[in-house]
Amino acid sequence: QVQLEQSGAEVKKPGASVKVSCKASGYTLTDYYMHWVRQAPGQGLEWMGWINPNSGGTHYAQKFRGRVTVTRDTSISTVYMEVRNLRSDDAAVYFCVRGSRILARGPEPFDPWGQGTLVTVSP
Amino acid sequence: EIVLAQSPGTLSLSPGARATLSCRASQSVSGSYLAWFQQKPGRAPRLLIYGASSRATGIPDRFSGSGSGTDFTLTISRLEPEDFAVYFCQQYGSSPQTFGPGTKVEI
Repeated sequence: QVQLEQSGAEVKKPGASVKVSCKASGYTLTDYYMHWVRQAPGQGLEWMGWINPNSGGTHYAQKFRGRVTVTRDTSISTVYMEVRNLRSDDAAVYFCVRGSRILARGPEPFDPWGQGTLVTVSP
Repeated sequence: EIVLAQSPGTLSLSPGARATLSCRASQSVSGSYLAWFQQKPGRAPRLLIYGASSRATGIPDRFSGSGSGTDFTLTISRLEPEDFAVYFCQQYGSSPQTFGPGTKVEI
């Protein structure tokens, strides 16, 4: 079955960087967009950006441009999301989630989701 | 950016009751690309409904979605104990894809 397996929890200091991985199984990574969504403690869901794993092309929400980078390694079916210059308000659970097929005629829903990676930012 | 508002913020109901959750968009959602997710504490969201009214694979038929344009509804016909959770709507037809703030369904 389709699964997304994320890396484990991280504790970082303000100003540091964090890189979260997301390994896809049960389907071909390069056939679907991959998105990243975060959720601060007790808060809602915030879309961060996507990668086209086939081309490597990316698109980010305005607030994350310049500070977030999503990359992929197709040889191991893994997508990475790096946040630089961490601030206290970056403390959140970060989810990868599969999006539309690359060749879909129209948008397709987010499904499935990774289990989430907790990033704690503490001095 | 399309802003989604959900109401009510919290819905207090008993098992067996009918739940009606609302999601209102600040502008028309193109193609009815509106999804509903269920999230339980410490878990990732789970897709329930996409395209405003299509149930995702494995979702019981007590969950139904309706609506178009700017007004959408998720209905749970008879609440089961496992349905008490937070429900989010999301529009995925326009970038940035946006989520509503959620409705908590509690006992």
